[in-house]
Amino acid sequence: EVQLVESGGGLIQPGGSLRLSCAVSGFTVSSKYMSWVRQVPGKGLEWVSVTYAGGRTYYADSVQGRFTISRDNSKNLFYLQMSSLRAEDTAVYYCATVLLGSYFDYWGQGTLVTVSS
Amino acid sequence: QLVVTQSPSASASLGASVNLTCTLSSGHSNYAIAWLQQQPEKGPRYLMYLKSDGSHDKGIGIPDRFSGASSGAERYLTISSLQFEDEADYYCQTWGTGTWVFGGGTKLTVL
Repeated sequence: EVQLVESGGGLIQPGGSLRLSCAVSGFTVSSKYMSWVRQVPGKGLEWVSVTYAGGRTYYADSVQGRFTISRDNSKNLFYLQMSSLRAEDTAVYYCATVLLGSYFDYWGQGTLVTVSS
Repeated sequence: QLVVTQSPSASASLGASVNLTCTLSSGHSNYAIAWLQQQPEKGPRYLMYLKSDGSHDKGIGIPDRFSGASSGAERYLTISSLQFEDEADYYCQTWGTGTWVFGGGTKLTVL
């Protein structure tokens, strides 16, 4: 059974950094296209970053240069390193698999990041 | 620009059917989409992949009550025999080269 479990969210001051983790089971993280999607509470979904199994990575304009996606294949973990955080980055962050780079098929339960002083 | 548009809300009675619509932007009428369901306080769940010809591929465990159809730039999600558990936000999603786009979501209320 495919499962994704996010962790690492919390309250962080503007300008700070935070690393989110996504623990996966039921597949190897190295074999899948992986992504982070976020959702401001009460609002819609916004893709943040998608990384292909071969390594190519895309970032939304809103996070380009501030967020970095990575994997630890030995631990089957997937990460989102966030820096220079802004109030508008406040959201629930979901990790999800992306079938052949197209649609998001498996999702975690999300972790809340709150950027506030 | 690749955009998908959804009505903000819909409602239907318990046991009835409802059609939700997702409209692709001009020049993108041949794009496939995916439908997602998000129940209150939960992460999204993949429902189905829907092509421009109306063929669709549902996720594991998605009931037969959920079906999809296409017409031109419109993509439809039909839910029949509505249950209270179907009350949720429904999102359509599409993609292009290096970009992934979500609709604003439709909040479905089961009366």
